[in-house]
Amino acid sequence: DSGVTQTPKHLITATGQRVTLRCSPRSGDLSVYWYQQSLDQGLQFLIQYYNGEERAKGNILERFSAQQFPDLHSELNLSSLELGDSALYFCASSALGSEYNEQFFGPGTRLTVL
Amino acid sequence: DQQVKQNSPSLSVQEGRISILNCDYTNSMFDYFLWYKKYPAEGPTFLISISSIKDKNEDGRFTVFLNKSAKHLSLHIVPSQPGDSAVYFCAASLNYGGSQGNLIFGKGTKLSVKP
Repeated sequence: DSGVTQTPKHLITATGQRVTLRCSPRSGDLSVYWYQQSLDQGLQFLIQYYNGEERAKGNILERFSAQQFPDLHSELNLSSLELGDSALYFCASSALGSEYNEQFFGPGTRLTVL
Repeated sequence: DQQVKQNSPSLSVQEGRISILNCDYTNSMFDYFLWYKKYPAEGPTFLISISSIKDKNEDGRFTVFLNKSAKHLSLHIVPSQPGDSAVYFCAASLNYGGSQGNLIFGKGTKLSVKP
């Protein structure tokens, strides 16, 4: 158990809809990262938050947005969903000054868009 | 353009032998290189990492070697066990402003360890 929790575990929805994925980082970790894993693209970085502020953006579509709240949990909002958005979405967290520079991953949310 | 490449999609090894997983990268500015293990329906699990200023790091059965001139790293697992069967991801990070940057992943190598 990494200590990172994600809800829901599975999500099935229709094209055009909007969903929210939730992540709680490990206790004390200030950084939260969102990654998307699709069949052909592997794990792709979407966005990073650090202590409530957006820190870096990767291959995140304009239809997607995220935020990190004062209690450090984070939400990823996906709107106007398309079939191609079906993927596993992982959240990870990290501690400042970690010796191994590792990120701890949650179990993921599997999104299926029909 | 892929900055981190794992050119072998799969590897099969006999139990007790050495498993060698390879990874190439293009950006010489990466600060850290990491290996993650992933089982189906689970999140990636951190295995071992190496700083760009080192050339070897060891943790039990796992050793990572870094060859900066070749922009190549490898993960050695000795001895391999059936429980090591999983997908292994190589990743690299660029840190900045005192905090960790995001991870850039290779596409993974599926390791099968046969009893």
